[in-house]
This record gives sequence, structure tokens and C-alpha cells, in this order.
Amino acid sequence: EADIYQTPRYLVIGTGKKITLECSQTMGHDKMYWYQQDPGMELHLIHYSYGVNSTEKGDLSSESTVSRIRTEHFPLTLESARPSHTSQYLCASSDRDADTQYFGPGTRLTVL
Amino acid sequence: SQQGEEDPQALSIQEGENATMNCSYKTSINNLQWYRQNSGRGLVHLILIRSNEREKHSGRLRVTLDTSKKSSSLLITASRAADTASYFCATGHSGNTPLVFGKGTRLSVIA
Repeated sequence: EADIYQTPRYLVIGTGKKITLECSQTMGHDKMYWYQQDPGMELHLIHYSYGVNSTEKGDLSSESTVSRIRTEHFPLTLESARPSHTSQYLCASSDRDADTQYFGPGTRLTVL
Repeated sequence: SQQGEEDPQALSIQEGENATMNCSYKTSINNLQWYRQNSGRGLVHLILIRSNEREKHSGRLRVTLDTSKKSSSLLITASRAADTASYFCATGHSGNTPLVFGKGTRLSVIA
């Protein structure tokens, strides 16, 4: 059973606020990912990390930033939220030598 | 873009029927995976097929891979209302690059 957690599950905030979406996994996976997904639409990779102190930008340009100080933790930060950031954010992880990804339940973000 | 394409975009069938979804991709792969997503939730891994395999089964799921045509299909037999979800294919590539997900097929199984 995959143990990957995201908090909060739902967040409604005003424009201009700084927010951090949390993602933690207890599987000891080296690789972690953040995806943005509008309802019923495709996934867009926005950030990924293959280990501590290693982060890369994904295919979709994003105004968010990430950090990877601990193996199990991969938070995503928006310095100044805008309505265009309204979406679902999915976190995932995978083992070093495997491609299979395990997903968290997602954070649904609404920026007013 | 390396992104895969699922076909059809949406599929509606009666309970008990079989559902077939197709995935096409553009570049060479190490493996191809299928994931399921219930509305508003994260994705769940269903099955992985390696590039040197042609067919794989898991319960009611059957996956085929044709690397010469750069395509895969997912067959769900004897579908149930609980199979209603979006299904995504994802391709694994060499060079330590992340999985590339397709756009998904939305399956509705009507009881």
C-alpha cells in the first residue's frame, strides 16, 4: 500500500497569498514529482526531484518552487497565488530503480 | 512532445461489456504503464508492460504492446460500474527521464 500524503486536501485562498502545499512519503523513495491537473484533463509535470538537494523543472512552466531537504518531504510553494493557479496538484514518488509512481490524494487549490 | 495519446477520449458502455482503450506514443520506450484515476483523486498504478513483452494480464485487465506500431491497448473484461474512472497510459524512457503521461480516456460503465 502506497503511503504518500498531501496536505491540505482543499484550500481556498485570496490572490497574492503565499502558500505551501505539503507532500510526504514513508516509502523511502528517492524520486518525487509534482503534477498540475485541471479537472478531467491531462497531467502536467511541473517539478521533480531525484534525491535530496536535487530539483528539476518539468514540462509545464510554473511560478511555483520546490525544495528537497529531506528524502521524505517535497513541499511546493507559491509565493503569490493568482486565480490562474486554481487547479488540482498531485504529488507522486517512485523508487530509485523503478518507474512506477505512487500518487497522493491531491490538493485542490482555489484562488479567488 | 513525447506525450502519448489515448483513444478514445471518452467511452461509455453497459455493465458486463468489455472496454478497450488504446494508447499511442512517439519515441522508443523502456516500458509502458496504465494508471486509473477516480474523480478528484490521485492516480493508481494498474499494470506495467516492458518493451520486450507483448501481452500481460492482471485479473480482468489485459494489456498488449506493439512496439513496431508504437501502441498499446488496455482491455477491461466484464466491466463493472466501479470501473468508471479515467485511465492514463504512461511511457518510461531511458536516460532517467520522468514518465510521460497521455491525456487519458474517461470510461463510464452504466449499471
